[in-house]
Amino acid sequence: AQSVTQLDSQVPVFEEAPVELRCNYSSSVSVYLFWYVQYPNQGLQLLLKYLSGSTLVKGINGFEAEFNKSQTSFHLRKPSVHISDTAEYFCAAYRGIQGAQKLVFGQGTRLTINP
Amino acid sequence: DTAVSQTPKYLVTQMGNDKSIKCEQNLGHDTMYWYKQDSKKFLKIMFSYNNKELIINETVPNRFSPKSPDKAHLNLHINSLELGDSAVYFCASSQAAYTGELFFGEGSRLTVL
Repeated sequence: AQSVTQLDSQVPVFEEAPVELRCNYSSSVSVYLFWYVQYPNQGLQLLLKYLSGSTLVKGINGFEAEFNKSQTSFHLRKPSVHISDTAEYFCAAYRGIQGAQKLVFGQGTRLTINP
Repeated sequence: DTAVSQTPKYLVTQMGNDKSIKCEQNLGHDTMYWYKQDSKKFLKIMFSYNNKELIINETVPNRFSPKSPDKAHLNLHINSLELGDSAVYFCASSQAAYTGELFFGEGSRLTVL
């Protein structure tokens, strides 16, 4: 079964610093990968997705992620964070018709931006 | 215009009671979902409906019964509530069944006392 592991439960950074949130998935077949963001007391919102093609995908709010098949990773990055980026970030993987047809989420990483 | 709306936003109730959460989407999507988020923020799918047909039914106690009167609505009814049912329940929708691009509602926080 597909599983998604987010390696850090909490990441504190200072404002304007770069950040990387790590995500690994377990699968040797092609998958579709996503990052979602959850702001306090809100629902989840799609940040970016990888379906195929270029391994570097850009999303909203200046975030980007790189799909690395050999390392089974899909880390999320932002070169300079703002206070407003404080939120919970979820990596998710979706298996296509060959497997379970559902979106499976990682445990989440809480990103805290300090002034 | 809220794309995916859930009501109520907060529910506080006693053990043993029955409660319902309603969800509506105005995006014209074919597929709707219920997810449960526990106190550690872990998200797990419960059910999915595509054009009013149940397509995903995870290992969920049969006290939980979803109902989709039309493809724009997916309600969740919970019988005989237990302490462990306390969580935030999220409704979501997607354009088609086999996509990971979901649109979420703001959640319904259920507290069972």
